[in-house]
Amino acid sequence: DAGITQSPRHKVTETGTPVTLRCHQTENHRYMYWYRQDPGHGLRLIHYSYGVKDTDKGEVSDGYSVSRSKTEDFLLTLESATSSQTSVYFCAISRQHANTEAFFGQGTRLTVV
Amino acid sequence: GENVEQHPSTLSVQEGDSAVIKCTYSDSASNYFPWYKQELGKGPQLIIDIRSNVGEKKDQRIAVTLNKTAKHFSLHITETQPEDSAVYFCAPSGGGADGLTFGKGTHLIIQP
Repeated sequence: DAGITQSPRHKVTETGTPVTLRCHQTENHRYMYWYRQDPGHGLRLIHYSYGVKDTDKGEVSDGYSVSRSKTEDFLLTLESATSSQTSVYFCAISRQHANTEAFFGQGTRLTVV
Repeated sequence: GENVEQHPSTLSVQEGDSAVIKCTYSDSASNYFPWYKQELGKGPQLIIDIRSNVGEKKDQRIAVTLNKTAKHFSLHITETQPEDSAVYFCAPSGGGADGLTFGKGTHLIIQP
Protein backbone atom coordinates (compact mmCIF):
# COMPACT_ATOMS: atom_id res chain seq x y z
CA ASP A 1 0.00 0.00 0.00
CA ALA A 2 1.11 3.52 -0.77
CA GLY A 3 2.33 5.40 2.28
CA ILE A 4 -0.54 7.79 2.89
CA THR A 5 -1.84 8.59 6.33
CA GLN A 6 -4.84 10.72 7.06
CA SER A 7 -5.52 12.13 10.49
CA PRO A 8 -7.77 12.12 12.30
CA ARG A 9 -9.78 9.17 10.95
CA HIS A 10 -12.96 10.35 12.64
CA LYS A 11 -13.97 13.72 14.03
CA VAL A 12 -17.12 15.30 15.38
CA THR A 13 -17.11 19.06 15.65
CA GLU A 14 -19.56 21.86 16.24
CA THR A 15 -20.83 24.31 13.68
CA GLY A 16 -18.65 27.38 13.45
CA THR A 17 -15.45 25.81 14.75
CA PRO A 18 -12.28 25.54 12.67
CA VAL A 19 -11.12 22.07 11.66
CA THR A 20 -7.88 20.90 10.07
CA LEU A 21 -7.39 17.54 8.42
CA ARG A 22 -3.95 16.26 7.69
CA CYS A 23 -2.60 14.13 4.90
CA HIS A 24 0.91 12.76 5.20
CA GLN A 25 2.73 10.80 2.48
CA THR A 26 6.01 8.95 2.45
CA GLU A 27 6.15 8.43 -1.33
CA ASN A 28 7.60 11.82 -2.29
CA HIS A 29 4.86 12.28 -4.90
CA ARG A 30 4.53 15.76 -6.32
CA TYR A 31 0.75 15.92 -6.62
CA MET A 32 -1.67 15.80 -3.71
CA TYR A 33 -5.44 16.12 -3.73
CA TRP A 34 -8.33 16.50 -1.31
CA TYR A 35 -11.70 14.99 -2.24
CA ARG A 36 -14.97 14.76 -0.43
CA GLN A 37 -17.33 11.84 -0.89
CA ASP A 38 -21.07 12.16 -0.43
CA PRO A 39 -23.92 9.81 -1.33
CA GLY A 40 -25.17 10.50 -4.84
CA HIS A 41 -22.21 12.72 -5.68
CA GLY A 42 -19.28 10.36 -5.86
CA LEU A 43 -15.89 11.93 -5.24
CA ARG A 44 -15.52 15.65 -5.80
CA LEU A 45 -12.27 17.54 -5.86
CA ILE A 46 -11.86 20.28 -3.23
CA HIS A 47 -8.28 21.49 -3.72
CA TYR A 48 -5.08 20.10 -5.10
CA SER A 49 -1.37 20.81 -4.95
CA TYR A 50 1.28 20.47 -7.63
CA GLY A 51 4.22 21.30 -5.42
CA VAL A 52 5.29 22.92 -2.16
CA LYS A 53 3.29 26.13 -1.72
CA ASP A 54 1.57 25.52 -5.09
CA THR A 55 -2.13 24.87 -4.75
CA ASP A 56 -5.28 25.41 -6.75
CA LYS A 57 -9.02 25.13 -6.35
CA GLY A 58 -11.15 22.22 -7.37
CA GLU A 59 -14.83 21.82 -8.08
CA VAL A 60 -16.10 22.39 -4.52
CA SER A 61 -13.54 24.68 -2.87
CA ASP A 62 -15.85 27.18 -1.14
CA GLY A 63 -15.40 27.08 2.63
CA TYR A 64 -12.09 25.21 2.43
CA SER A 65 -8.46 26.26 2.37
CA VAL A 66 -5.29 24.22 2.01
CA SER A 67 -1.62 24.51 2.68
CA ARG A 68 1.44 22.57 1.65
CA SER A 69 4.63 23.70 3.35
CA LYS A 70 6.42 20.38 2.86
CA THR A 71 6.28 17.78 0.12
CA GLU A 72 4.91 15.18 2.49
CA ASP A 73 2.11 17.15 4.15
CA PHE A 74 -1.10 18.57 2.72
CA LEU A 75 -3.51 20.20 5.15
CA LEU A 76 -7.19 20.88 4.57
CA THR A 77 -8.81 23.52 6.78
CA LEU A 78 -12.45 24.29 7.28
CA GLU A 79 -12.31 27.82 8.64
CA SER A 80 -15.80 27.69 10.12
CA ALA A 81 -17.40 24.28 9.82
CA THR A 82 -20.99 23.98 8.61
CA SER A 83 -23.33 21.00 8.59
CA SER A 84 -23.06 20.82 4.78
CA GLN A 85 -19.39 19.93 5.25
CA THR A 86 -20.29 16.70 7.00
CA SER A 87 -18.69 14.18 4.68
CA VAL A 88 -15.94 11.65 4.20
CA TYR A 89 -12.73 13.30 3.09
CA PHE A 90 -10.08 11.51 1.07
CA CYS A 91 -6.54 12.54 0.35
CA ALA A 92 -4.88 11.24 -2.81
CA ILE A 93 -1.39 11.44 -4.26
CA SER A 94 0.08 10.88 -7.68
CA ARG A 95 3.57 10.89 -9.12
CA GLN A 96 2.69 12.94 -12.15
CA HIS A 97 -0.42 14.81 -13.21
CA ALA A 98 -3.85 13.19 -13.45
CA ASN A 99 -2.89 10.77 -16.24
CA THR A 100 -1.37 8.31 -13.83
CA GLU A 101 -2.55 6.20 -10.95
CA ALA A 102 -3.76 8.03 -7.88
CA PHE A 103 -3.30 6.48 -4.46
CA PHE A 104 -5.85 7.21 -1.80
CA GLY A 105 -5.72 7.41 1.94
CA GLN A 106 -8.22 5.63 4.18
CA GLY A 107 -10.42 8.66 4.58
CA THR A 108 -11.56 10.93 7.41
CA ARG A 109 -15.17 10.88 8.48
CA LEU A 110 -16.13 14.38 9.61
CA THR A 111 -19.42 15.14 11.30
CA VAL A 112 -20.44 18.74 11.94
CA VAL A 113 -23.23 19.05 14.50
CA GLY B 1 -14.35 20.54 -17.41
CA GLU B 2 -15.01 16.89 -17.93
CA ASN B 3 -18.60 15.63 -17.60
CA VAL B 4 -18.64 12.00 -16.58
CA GLU B 5 -21.64 9.71 -16.42
CA GLN B 6 -21.57 6.18 -15.15
CA HIS B 7 -24.24 3.51 -15.59
CA PRO B 8 -25.83 1.73 -13.94
CA SER B 9 -25.74 3.22 -10.45
CA THR B 10 -26.50 -0.19 -8.94
CA LEU B 11 -25.88 -3.60 -10.49
CA SER B 12 -26.85 -6.90 -8.92
CA VAL B 13 -25.58 -10.11 -10.52
CA GLN B 14 -25.48 -13.76 -9.56
CA GLU B 15 -22.15 -15.10 -8.46
CA GLY B 16 -20.36 -16.49 -11.48
CA ASP B 17 -22.12 -14.23 -13.96
CA SER B 18 -20.54 -11.27 -15.75
CA ALA B 19 -20.92 -7.60 -14.92
CA VAL B 20 -20.48 -4.60 -17.21
CA ILE B 21 -20.29 -0.97 -16.13
CA LYS B 22 -20.21 1.85 -18.66
CA CYS B 23 -18.67 5.30 -18.39
CA THR B 24 -19.30 8.14 -20.82
CA TYR B 25 -17.26 11.33 -20.88
CA SER B 26 -17.39 14.66 -22.67
CA ASP B 27 -13.81 15.83 -23.15
CA SER B 28 -12.47 14.58 -26.48
CA ALA B 29 -8.94 15.35 -25.22
CA SER B 30 -9.22 12.66 -22.54
CA ASN B 31 -6.50 10.09 -23.01
CA TYR B 32 -6.37 8.14 -19.76
CA PHE B 33 -9.23 5.89 -18.62
CA PRO B 34 -8.94 4.22 -15.22
CA TRP B 35 -11.35 2.23 -13.10
CA TYR B 36 -11.20 2.34 -9.32
CA LYS B 37 -12.70 -0.06 -6.81
CA GLN B 38 -13.77 1.11 -3.37
CA GLU B 39 -14.47 -1.41 -0.66
CA LEU B 40 -16.46 -0.47 2.40
CA GLY B 41 -14.53 1.80 4.73
CA LYS B 42 -11.55 2.19 2.41
CA GLY B 43 -10.27 4.59 -0.17
CA PRO B 44 -10.60 3.86 -3.89
CA GLN B 45 -7.93 1.70 -5.46
CA LEU B 46 -6.98 1.43 -9.12
CA ILE B 47 -7.87 -1.93 -10.61
CA ILE B 48 -7.29 -1.37 -14.31
CA ASP B 49 -6.59 1.47 -16.70
CA ILE B 50 -6.24 2.03 -20.41
CA ARG B 51 -4.72 4.72 -22.55
CA SER B 52 -6.17 6.16 -25.73
CA ASN B 53 -3.88 4.30 -28.09
CA VAL B 54 -5.30 0.95 -26.95
CA GLY B 55 -8.81 -0.40 -27.50
CA GLU B 56 -8.91 -3.13 -24.89
CA LYS B 57 -6.92 -4.34 -21.91
CA LYS B 58 -7.42 -7.45 -19.85
CA ASP B 59 -6.13 -8.53 -16.47
CA GLN B 60 -7.39 -11.96 -15.41
CA ARG B 61 -11.14 -11.58 -14.78
CA ILE B 62 -11.35 -7.87 -15.44
CA ALA B 63 -11.10 -5.98 -18.71
CA VAL B 64 -11.59 -2.45 -19.95
CA THR B 65 -12.73 -1.52 -23.45
CA LEU B 66 -12.50 1.92 -24.96
CA ASN B 67 -14.49 3.54 -27.73
CA LYS B 68 -12.93 6.97 -28.25
CA THR B 69 -15.20 7.85 -31.14
CA ALA B 70 -18.29 7.41 -29.01
CA LYS B 71 -16.50 8.70 -25.88
CA HIS B 72 -17.20 5.82 -23.60
CA PHE B 73 -15.32 3.02 -21.92
CA SER B 74 -16.51 0.01 -20.00
CA LEU B 75 -15.41 -2.24 -17.18
CA HIS B 76 -16.06 -5.95 -17.65
CA ILE B 77 -15.84 -8.43 -14.80
CA THR B 78 -16.26 -12.12 -15.62
CA GLU B 79 -16.94 -15.04 -13.28
CA THR B 80 -17.92 -12.66 -10.51
CA GLN B 81 -17.06 -13.57 -6.93
CA PRO B 82 -18.28 -12.26 -3.56
CA GLU B 83 -15.13 -10.17 -3.16
CA ASP B 84 -16.09 -8.23 -6.28
CA SER B 85 -18.87 -6.57 -4.28
CA ALA B 86 -17.85 -2.92 -4.02
CA VAL B 87 -18.39 0.50 -5.53
CA TYR B 88 -16.63 1.09 -8.85
CA PHE B 89 -15.67 4.49 -10.21
CA CYS B 90 -14.47 5.60 -13.60
CA ALA B 91 -12.22 8.67 -13.79
CA PRO B 92 -11.33 9.74 -17.33
CA SER B 93 -8.74 12.49 -17.63
CA GLY B 94 -7.10 14.54 -20.32
CA GLY B 95 -3.74 15.51 -18.99
CA GLY B 96 -4.29 18.60 -16.87
CA ALA B 97 -3.17 18.63 -13.28
CA ASP B 98 -6.71 19.19 -12.10
CA GLY B 99 -7.12 15.84 -10.46
CA LEU B 100 -9.34 13.03 -11.56
CA THR B 101 -12.99 13.70 -12.33
CA PHE B 102 -14.94 10.74 -11.03
CA GLY B 103 -18.20 9.25 -12.11
CA LYS B 104 -20.81 8.94 -9.37
CA GLY B 105 -20.03 5.28 -8.89
CA THR B 106 -21.68 1.89 -9.47
CA HIS B 107 -22.57 -0.27 -6.52
CA LEU B 108 -21.94 -3.84 -7.63
CA ILE B 109 -23.70 -6.50 -5.58
CA ILE B 110 -22.81 -10.16 -6.06
CA GLN B 111 -25.70 -12.40 -5.08
CA PRO B 112 -24.70 -15.84 -3.76
